Amino acid sequence: DQQVKQNSPSLSVQEGRISILNCDYTNSMFDYFLWYKKYPAEGPTFLISISSIKDKNEDGRFTVFLNKSAKHLSLHIVPSQPGDSAVYFCAASEGAQKLVFGQGTRLTINP
Amino acid sequence: EPEVTQTPSHQVTQMGQEVILRCVPISNHLYFYWYRQILGQKVEFLVSFYNNEISEKSEIFDDQFSVERPDGSNFTLKIRSTKLEDSAMYFCASSETSQHTYEQYFGPGTRLTVT
Repeated sequence: DQQVKQNSPSLSVQEGRISILNCDYTNSMFDYFLWYKKYPAEGPTFLISISSIKDKNEDGRFTVFLNKSAKHLSLHIVPSQPGDSAVYFCAASEGAQKLVFGQGTRLTINP
Repeated sequence: EPEVTQTPSHQVTQMGQEVILRCVPISNHLYFYWYRQILGQKVEFLVSFYNNEISEKSEIFDDQFSVERPDGSNFTLKIRSTKLEDSAMYFCASSETSQHTYEQYFGPGTRLTVT
């Protein structure tokens, strides 16, 4: 049951460039989408979210884009910094219900 | 900044033993959750809890699992008789849930090792 999919297990980006992480979903009932960052042996850290009534949300270096017709969202990080190296999880929910997570994308920022 | 805390950070137990994992959610949050992540796999939902009762549970959350909010601050997950396949990181999360914002904030996790 892969309702949320992150098709790229890993991504390598040069410091200062833009990182783009992608996520696809299949359940049209999802109305809230979130991105989490996770370091090994730690819990997921909330980064940014977007409601289905919007198509873009920005917070500092992080921007999330939502394309409802394509059931696709993406996270843009610009400029990328070495501290951004981590595993990024996309998650979706129907309101205040359980989060359904993607498999994660390991982002490596190279100096 | 308020945060979700979990204890212990690591629990080793023998198969068939009972374990209790503890969590202190963020104080003004109303919804509480348990998730787990088996090594190399996705983070999976176990159970959600609101207004002192379970609001949703997954297929994983069978009769061996229970949750409780014994006082105003703690939220616990009990596994009655652990199996080898229960070995995983267990994450507690909480959310405030105001209109249009459903962010869940996670604790650092408890690593459960069943031998």
